[in-house]
Amino acid sequence: AQSVTQLDSQVPVFEEAPVELRCNYSSSVSVYLFWYVQYPNQGLQLLLKYLSGSTLVKGINGFEAEFNKSQTSFHLRKPSVHISDTAEYFCAVTVFQGGKLIFGQGTELSVKP
Amino acid sequence: EAQVTQNPRYLITVTGKKLTVTCSQNMNHEYMSWYRQDPGLGLRQIYYSMNVEVTDKGDVPEGYKVSRKEKRNFPLILESPSPNQTSLYFCASSQYGRETRSYEQYFGPGTRLTVT
Repeated sequence: AQSVTQLDSQVPVFEEAPVELRCNYSSSVSVYLFWYVQYPNQGLQLLLKYLSGSTLVKGINGFEAEFNKSQTSFHLRKPSVHISDTAEYFCAVTVFQGGKLIFGQGTELSVKP
Repeated sequence: EAQVTQNPRYLITVTGKKLTVTCSQNMNHEYMSWYRQDPGLGLRQIYYSMNVEVTDKGDVPEGYKVSRKEKRNFPLILESPSPNQTSLYFCASSQYGRETRSYEQYFGPGTRLTVT
């Protein structure tokens, strides 16, 4: 079985500062990894995904994530955040069969002026 | 526009009163699923469907039913809602991509259900 742990439930940060949202996963088989963003009162939007190949993945809105197989991590980073990045961020994994996503608990990113 | 729609978006009901949340997608996707989102727990899959007339339980199926009579629709049925089913519900659809060798799921806007 797979599991995902997001290590921080809340991350407050000032505007234009860098941010890292941490995600660790557990799986006995290869997985595909995703980051989703949920803006207030909205559904989930895909930020980026790792399927194979380069371990550094670039997504929308200036976000990127690095897959580290040895540490089973997939941390999300942005070098300079904006107020509009305030949202909840979910890390998720899936295996080939079925397409079921296993989500982490979510991290609330709060960007302050 | 490719999208997943859910109705209603908000619903307040009482314990035991049967309700249905509809989900429809216009992308001809085979795979559809329902998730519930609860604070501190993230999203958990309730049921999924691989195609018409093919459904199976996810991680938290108790108290829910689904049906898949048409490819585009995947309603979630609560026969006798209870307060512990108060949650935010998301429908999702996806198709296996031969190039990506994965499912990329598209989510609906969510239905906030309160059971009193």
